[in-house]
Amino acid sequence: DQQVKQNSPSLSVQEGRISILNCDYTNSMFDYFLWYKKYPAEGPTFLISISSIKDKNEDGRFTVFLNKSAKHLSLHIVPSQPGDSAVYFCAASQGGKLIFGQGTELSVKP
Amino acid sequence: ETGVTQTPRHLVMGMTNKKSLKCEQHLGHNAMYWYKQSAKKPLELMFVYNFKEQTENNSVPSRFSPECPNSSHLFLHLHTLQPEDSALYLCASSQLGLGKEETQYFGPGTRLLVL
Repeated sequence: DQQVKQNSPSLSVQEGRISILNCDYTNSMFDYFLWYKKYPAEGPTFLISISSIKDKNEDGRFTVFLNKSAKHLSLHIVPSQPGDSAVYFCAASQGGKLIFGQGTELSVKP
Repeated sequence: ETGVTQTPRHLVMGMTNKKSLKCEQHLGHNAMYWYKQSAKKPLELMFVYNFKEQTENNSVPSRFSPECPNSSHLFLHLHTLQPEDSALYLCASSQLGLGKEETQYFGPGTRLLVL
């Protein structure tokens, strides 16, 4: 049973618009959540994270929202740029051990 | 070199071969990890080393044998693999003990093909 799910395998967005990537989890013991970005033939690159004691964290164009009651996490990218096209993975941590979602492939069209 | 490096980047091996994957982290971290990523699947944790001691073996077959000689280096020794072991193998490191927020940083991966 997957504890972390990204139900959208792909997302296409126009340049300049907002990209919203979603992630759901089942384990209420997760205490730290992360988003990674992955280009083909490269390893995942850490993007942004949020502690379970917060509901929002912002870093430039990237904002992560956490809704603990719904066990839902989202990443907002605004404005989206063609260079943001990649696979995005959410991950949840318990005691330093990460559980990853399946990934969402974002395509930002010029 | 900075961050986490992995060699080789690509590897093709037969089922009777023995090969090793190497990972080195230049971040001063105390924990290192091996992950497997198969096509269309989430990253799967294989092994965790904390201060050179293996703290997790996620039910990995014995044909995969990890080695951690020090906190900066991690190896994955491969022996009599199967074609279904073909995947991207990723190494990561983190600094454990800082509390809850322990971010893992990944290397570029080794793309393995078993024939």
